[in-house]
Amino acid sequence: AQSVTQLGSHVSVSEGALVLLRCNYSSSVPPYLFWYVQYPNQGLQLLLKYTSAATLVKGINGFEAEFKKSETSFHLTKPSAHMSDAAEYFCAVRPAGNMLTFGGGTRLMVKP
Amino acid sequence: DAGVTQSPTHLIKTRGQQVTLRCSPKSGHDTVSWYQQALGQGPQFIFQYYEEEERQRGNFPDRFSGHQFPNYSSELNVNALLLGDSALYLCASSLELAGATDTQYFGPGTRLTVL
Repeated sequence: AQSVTQLGSHVSVSEGALVLLRCNYSSSVPPYLFWYVQYPNQGLQLLLKYTSAATLVKGINGFEAEFKKSETSFHLTKPSAHMSDAAEYFCAVRPAGNMLTFGGGTRLMVKP
Repeated sequence: DAGVTQSPTHLIKTRGQQVTLRCSPKSGHDTVSWYQQALGQGPQFIFQYYEEEERQRGNFPDRFSGHQFPNYSSELNVNALLLGDSALYLCASSLELAGATDTQYFGPGTRLTVL
């Protein structure tokens, strides 16, 4: 069975600081990996996805993530946080099937 | 280009009632998936519809059922509502031909409250 673990349900950073949101997965087959963002009272918006091409994936709004097979990780980073980045972030894995399996989410808070 | 739309936005029901939620996929998409997101948790996969048939199902009881219409829109039905069914229900659409790498685009969700 595939699963996703997001370390840290809440992360707080200062505006302009590095953002690091952690995601580890378990999968019996090479996975496809996704990061989604959810703003209050809204659906999910795709930030980026890994589909076995380049291991460093660049997404929207300055976010990027690196797939590390040896560590089974797909951490999300952004060099400089902005107030508008405050939201809930979800890592998801999609193996050979069609369903997405999500982690529990990390709420990012950005302090002025 | 319209994205994924869902109706209604909010819904309040009482225990034992039945509810129907609706979803229209993004233009050009033919596959619809439904997810349940309880408060403070990540979305959980309910099922997926393609070519008007349920193709894959998550760990949800038979009280949860669905339908896909020829225009690719979809409904989620929940019978005999329980308090624990209170959640945000998300619909996502994708294109079958794009395969497993395709992005699932999510709608804004329907907030269901069961009293």
